[in-house]
Amino acid sequence: QVQLVQSGAEVKEPGASVKVSCKASGYSLTNFYMHWVRQAPGQGLEWMGILNPSGGSTTYAQKFQGRVTLARDKSTTTVYMELSSLRSEDTAVYYCARATQGVFDYWGQGTLVTVSS
Amino acid sequence: SSELTQDPAVSVALGQTVRITCQGDSLRNYYASWYQQKPGQAPVLVISGKNNRPSGIPDRFSDSTSGNTASLTITGAQAEDEADYYCNSRDSSGNFWVFGGGTKLTVL
Repeated sequence: QVQLVQSGAEVKEPGASVKVSCKASGYSLTNFYMHWVRQAPGQGLEWMGILNPSGGSTTYAQKFQGRVTLARDKSTTTVYMELSSLRSEDTAVYYCARATQGVFDYWGQGTLVTVSS
Repeated sequence: SSELTQDPAVSVALGQTVRITCQGDSLRNYYASWYQQKPGQAPVLVISGKNNRPSGIPDRFSDSTSGNTASLTITGAQAEDEADYYCNSRDSSGNFWVFGGGTKLTVL
C-alpha cells in the first residue's frame, strides 16, 4: 500500500533552516510527482511547490521562491523540503502529497515546524 | 489572496443535501479536486474531476463544474461528514497549484 512517512516535529529559531523528509513506499517514486503543502495554525492549505522525482525538476510557488528547495534521493525513495530564513510566520504543519494527474491522492501525516526564539 | 474562492462556512441538517462551491477563472480550463480535513488529521482526497472518487469514499459525494464554478455535493449528509473542505486546481497560468480558502461544514 502507498505510504508517505514524514520526519518528526522540529523547533527552529528565526533565521535558521529546516529540512523535512518524506519517505515513499508501496509504489515507484519516479512515476509520480510530489507536492508540498503547508498549513499554519487555524489556517487553510497553502501550496508550496512540486518536484518531479524522476528528473529532479522543480516548480515553486512565487511566495517561496528563493527560500524553498525540494529534492529527492532515489536510492532511499525519500523526498525533502528545505525552507530557509525561517520566521515566525513559517510555523505550520508541512505535508508532502503524491500527485496522480495533478490530483493529490496520498498525503504524508504532516510535520509540525515551530519557529520561535 | 487565493485564486479560488470558497464560502468560509456552510451548515446542513443531517440527511439533507449540501453544495460547497469553489470559484475561480482557472476552473474554466482545469478540473478541481476536493479534499476533506478533520481536526488534527491530514487532508484526504474525496473526489476529483468528473466524479472520480477514490476507493472507500461514499457515493454520496459528487462533483460538477459550470463555467468558473466547481461544486462538491453531499447527498444525504452524515455526521461524519462534518469537516473542512478544500478545493484545489491549477492557477490561471497553469504553472502553479492553488487551494481555495476552505469551507467548514457543520452537520446539524
